[in-house]
Amino acid sequence: LAKTTQPISMDSYEGQEVNITCSHNNIATNDYITWYQQFPSQGPRFIIQGYKTKVTNEVASLFIPADRKSSTLSLPRVSLSDTAVYYCLVGAADESNSGYALNFGKGTSLLVTP
Amino acid sequence: GAVVSQHPSWVICKSGTSVKIECRSLDFQATTMFWYRQFPKQSLMLMATSNEGSKATYEQGVEKDKFLINHASLTLSTLTVTSAHPEDSSFYICSANINYGYTFGSGTRLTVV
Repeated sequence: LAKTTQPISMDSYEGQEVNITCSHNNIATNDYITWYQQFPSQGPRFIIQGYKTKVTNEVASLFIPADRKSSTLSLPRVSLSDTAVYYCLVGAADESNSGYALNFGKGTSLLVTP
Repeated sequence: GAVVSQHPSWVICKSGTSVKIECRSLDFQATTMFWYRQFPKQSLMLMATSNEGSKATYEQGVEKDKFLINHASLTLSTLTVTSAHPEDSSFYICSANINYGYTFGSGTRLTVV
């Protein structure tokens, strides 16, 4: 799996948009980019996945430039409950059906304050 | 969506005793499950990959005789921490993959006293 680099921590106020960027310079052609969210003492939760350009769901948006060497998770108008650790992972989609485990990096600890 | 149910959510045990953690896939069959360990303020570290009907594959540095994994059916994988010591106190999480995605259990907080 391609190695990823994220900021260790970020702070934001409620109501602001938060953008977390992940670098993955060695991403392979068939790799997807997936973001997970983890609250304390809970298992990670899938947020969003993308391959290129932009993906949006009810929770977040994922921006991927043409070279795919980085990606940005965008959380619109964060609330206190968005305080969590966010992990960026890169791997081939078909690996998820072939017994490959996810290897988590350090993640980004987001703190949202009033 | 696919759900992995993990139990117990927390457990306290005495040093030297064994603890079993269960992970069940509720609405799908999981040929493979993954077990992670997470220490405070650290990331998830893969411990082992559990395969239904065969031996688990352990990551380097993980003692297979201490962390017994059994994946006897397509819906149940168990992790038994044998002869637990305080340094085994951690947050244990299981995961399964399904349809190009991964789902995680809610985790088990193990405290060995």
